[in-house]
Amino acid sequence: GENVEQHPSTLSVQEGDSAVIKCTYSDSASNYFPWYKQELGKGPQLIIDIRSNVGEKKDQRIAVTLNKTAKHFSLHITETQPEDSAVYFCAASTGGFKTIFGAGTRLFVKA
Amino acid sequence: NAGVTQTPKFRVLKTGQSMTLLCAQDMNHEYMYWYRQDPGMGLRLIHYSVGEGTTAKGEVPDGYNVSRLKKQNFLLGLESAAPSQTSVYFCASSFRDDQPQHFGDGTRLSIL
Repeated sequence: GENVEQHPSTLSVQEGDSAVIKCTYSDSASNYFPWYKQELGKGPQLIIDIRSNVGEKKDQRIAVTLNKTAKHFSLHITETQPEDSAVYFCAASTGGFKTIFGAGTRLFVKA
Repeated sequence: NAGVTQTPKFRVLKTGQSMTLLCAQDMNHEYMYWYRQDPGMGLRLIHYSVGEGTTAKGEVPDGYNVSRLKKQNFLLGLESAAPSQTSVYFCASSFRDDQPQHFGDGTRLSIL
């Protein structure tokens, strides 16, 4: 069946460095790619999303890139801060309630 | 503005017991979802609803039932709890199925 692979499962960076999380999807009909951040004891919260007609989107320190041909999309966080420490989930959606989530990446930002 | 509210936050059940998890949203969203989150497996869709009075099965519906009697509420029921249903359950809502989902803070359920 359709799936979304997310790597790495754990990522540790120094404060101020960049962090990159990569996802690969299998369903070529996917057209909406949200990224969620989940802090301890909380539900996931949307941090950025991208649609299939766009190759890149940026919001301050966060950017997402999409390569439809390779079925890859990535999250880039620059100038990381301790408050960026959390679990990040990518997802791919074809609409029709078919949103598949990646397994998550636990990001540690060391001060 | 509360967003999505889930009750209870924690619950421990014995095998075979039943319970209902409650989800309420105040954003006038048509679409609502129930997910379970297990370590290393991301979020998996249990059931969803496209509007008041409608429900449909997701990826892992067995052992669960749902109801959407009012637009703002989506209930998840376990008729006979099993240890395999130990998980963290999240409710979410959205305007449309290709729009961002808004999540509650989850219900941590343990079944002994």
